[in-house]
Amino acid sequence: NAGVTQTPKFQVLKTGQSMTLQCAQDMNHNSMYWYRQDPGMGLRLIYYSASEGTTDKGEVPNGYNVSRLNKREFSLRLESAAPSQTSVYFCASSPDRRTIFVETQYFGPGTRLLVL
Amino acid sequence: AQTVTQSQPEMSVQEAETVTLSCTYDTSENNYYLFWYKQPPSRQMILVIRQEAYKQQNATENRFSVNFQKAAKSFSLKISDSQLGDTAMYFCAFMNPSNTGKLIFGQGTTLQVKP
Repeated sequence: NAGVTQTPKFQVLKTGQSMTLQCAQDMNHNSMYWYRQDPGMGLRLIYYSASEGTTDKGEVPNGYNVSRLNKREFSLRLESAAPSQTSVYFCASSPDRRTIFVETQYFGPGTRLLVL
Repeated sequence: AQTVTQSQPEMSVQEAETVTLSCTYDTSENNYYLFWYKQPPSRQMILVIRQEAYKQQNATENRFSVNFQKAAKSFSLKISDSQLGDTAMYFCAFMNPSNTGKLIFGQGTTLQVKP
């Protein structure tokens, strides 16, 4: 049981390049989330997926797209990377929120992205 | 909109002593959840403790406990018998369960435990 995994761990991009950050969970969770973490700030929600087949914007969605490929996988895509997207990206998952005591989110190890 | 504020950017404590990290939040909701997450240098986000707003009893997990003051919208974390491994950044987070489980984080408090 690996929990939440993310790839890659570290990536350097040039401005304008595209890339996809991968996230997978093996806990049979319904909900998945993408956050970014910048210095001096807490995590901010980019996109989330409440269940397979659905995605919604979070607090800072501009410049990103997501795909909920199946129940396990939730990817984040940068179509044209900008220096402002230099950050640490975290993926998280949580069980069905309709179940009592299930609101805890479990986080992956993070992806450090540097855009030059 | 909900907001979470951690007013202590950095704190330090001697090993074996007790330290309290502060967190305040703003919401008009009555039913919600509060969390403390720990982020060590490895950057992994680790759940420390959580509190359901409808519970009056303060949550406790081993050396970690909270002081939840619902009327004051305050949610502080107390770490007893501090250990070197407690050195990390700590984030307070708020969740409105009717809002698809999205977490709203505070800015974080960096805690250093000194030997």
